[in-house]
Amino acid sequence: GAVVSQHPSRVICKSGTSVKIECRSLDFQATTMFWYRQFPKQSLMLMATSNEGSKATYEQGVEKDKFLINHASLTLSTLTVTSAHPEDSSFYICSARDTRRLHTGELFFGEGSRLTVL
Amino acid sequence: AQSVTQLDSHVSVSEGTPVLLRCNYSSSYSPSLFWYVQHPNKGLQLLLKYTSAATLVKGINGFEAEFKKSETSFHLTKPSAHMSDAAEYFCVVSEGSTLGRLYFGRGTQLTVWP
Repeated sequence: GAVVSQHPSRVICKSGTSVKIECRSLDFQATTMFWYRQFPKQSLMLMATSNEGSKATYEQGVEKDKFLINHASLTLSTLTVTSAHPEDSSFYICSARDTRRLHTGELFFGEGSRLTVL
Repeated sequence: AQSVTQLDSHVSVSEGTPVLLRCNYSSSYSPSLFWYVQHPNKGLQLLLKYTSAATLVKGINGFEAEFKKSETSFHLTKPSAHMSDAAEYFCVVSEGSTLGRLYFGRGTQLTVWP
């Protein structure tokens, strides 16, 4: 099956620093990837849609300068949390659609990255 | 407009008894519907999906769901719960087609007692 790998799975950083989270599709190409944020015991909140070779599309209320998204290749998207603050602490999850199997509508999810900002 | 309502935030069952996780949706279009499962600190795994074919959909691990248009429901069931089924379950609706934007329910936490 299709595998999406996220790295790091856990990261702790100091307030004011920047953190990069990678999302890789290991055995398929993904023109589109999605970034979500999940608060404790809550559902996933779509932050942005990442498109290979073009700018990401951010959801309303998500600061694009705060959450930088880069989708430089068909298998890699990165989310950089800039000048992180404790309120940015959360579980971040990425997902991707297999370009060859778009008709199935299935999304493949990474295992998530837990960010803790001290 | 699309929305998904998971009627129970928490469901507890004994091992070996049936599981019912309820989901209602609203959609302006013919929806595609999905159930995903999330184990602690993990990503989401697809259990099953409905994409306008058979209304009774069978998924992995013995789960199934029935699409009922008249009731706008897509409830998830399993005849006999296993300890390993304990997890968070999300009902998801896709806007318009399988490639549309996804709307997530708030999730249902399933606890399975021995």
